[in-house]
Amino acid sequence: TQLLEQSPQFLSIQEGENLTVYCNSSSVFSSLQWYRQEPGEGPVLLVTVVTGGEVKKLKRLTFQFGDARKDSSLHITAAQPGDTGLYLCAGTKAAGNKLTFGGGTRVLVKP
Amino acid sequence: SAVISQKPSRDICQRGTSLTIQCQVDSQVTMMFWYRQQPGQSLTLIATANQGSEATYESGFVIDKFPISRPNLTFSTLTVSNMSPEDSSIYLCSVYRGGEAFFGQGTRLTVV
Repeated sequence: TQLLEQSPQFLSIQEGENLTVYCNSSSVFSSLQWYRQEPGEGPVLLVTVVTGGEVKKLKRLTFQFGDARKDSSLHITAAQPGDTGLYLCAGTKAAGNKLTFGGGTRVLVKP
Repeated sequence: SAVISQKPSRDICQRGTSLTIQCQVDSQVTMMFWYRQQPGQSLTLIATANQGSEATYESGFVIDKFPISRPNLTFSTLTVSNMSPEDSSIYLCSVYRGGEAFFGQGTRLTVV
């Protein structure tokens, strides 16, 4: 059982559509991060959220941290083929602790 | 930021043999992390490598199978020993700096 559960596992949409990826846990995290990984590369950090209820925007991407700091969501507006990749949430329980990764969501945006 | 060079980028190995993966960081770090990522899946932490002490292994991973060296603050190696097809995976090294994890590009291992 993963400490961080991501859903859905796979998402295929048309260019221009919106999508939301969820990351849920029964545990409280001091911070939560979202990474995107493309084939043949390591994951790259998109955002870090640390405050319950926090919302961060990165162009067409909106990230939210749940009030209780147990869950997070990633919303992409008007998805583009360049958004295709594996999206991973990762949490730490205390500063300096190791990262725990969610199961990942594979997103495919078709032109 | 951190720049991590990992090699080899890929290899095809015979079962029963061993492969050593190298990871070089562009500046000194206290801890380096080794992950395994099976095709299409998420990352699983194998071990944490500290300079000057033995690596700390996660549940399900043992030193005899995945020996790790950390000779200095910029370099580490992970060996996958006595390989079987089940070891086919992507192996990534990582460092944590400024609240962000940085990764090498990974080593894609296929065991035949």
